[in-house]
Amino acid sequence: DAGITQSPRHKVTETGTPVTLRCHQTENHRYMYWYRQDPGHGLRLIHYSYGVKDTDKGEVSDGYSVSRSKTEDFLLTLESATSSQTSVYFCAIGSFSPGNTIYFGEGSWLTVV
Amino acid sequence: GQQLNQSPQSMFIQEGEDVSMNCTSSSIFNTWLWYKQDPGEGPVLLIALYKAGELTSNGRLTAQFGITRKDSFLNISASIPSDVGIYFCAGRGISSGSARQLTFGSGTQLTVLP
Repeated sequence: DAGITQSPRHKVTETGTPVTLRCHQTENHRYMYWYRQDPGHGLRLIHYSYGVKDTDKGEVSDGYSVSRSKTEDFLLTLESATSSQTSVYFCAIGSFSPGNTIYFGEGSWLTVV
Repeated sequence: GQQLNQSPQSMFIQEGEDVSMNCTSSSIFNTWLWYKQDPGEGPVLLIALYKAGELTSNGRLTAQFGITRKDSFLNISASIPSDVGIYFCAGRGISSGSARQLTFGSGTQLTVLP
């Protein structure tokens, strides 16, 4: 395994409530990513981090915020969840130097009702 | 933004047949990755390519980084039932922003018939 833990793995929440997903790594990788996966859209990048307190937006960042206060944790927050944010969320970690690459966690299934 | 076209979208093949799928990009990439995803799980890395022209194998899987740096293909030889799943290509661009992230293709759903 690539040393990635996502929590919670499954969550049902109500529209308008805040939700935080956590990605924890034990590999000391610089890069961490949050993707969402929806039928017909594949994997789309929400936000990513290239170091502690260094984050940037991805393709579908509206409605999401992230924080990385330490190397091992990358948090994804939905400030006010909407039904359109029902999805599977994947965290990924890694680097692009030869011999290294990007590895994915097992996913967090979020349902907003 | 970068565009990745992956084809075919789906394939139905007989067990034992060879499979080929490919991805093309609207811009130059300096890394190509191929992943497989089983239902209910995260994508698992199959092959990573870092140089134009590179040809890399992993068991029955072979992938190549196109010399134009805008395409890559994945071949699976002698398919078996456990090859069923969704295969994704992913690429890393060369600009300062795109170099920090991966862009994914839409996936190829592979079904292997007995």
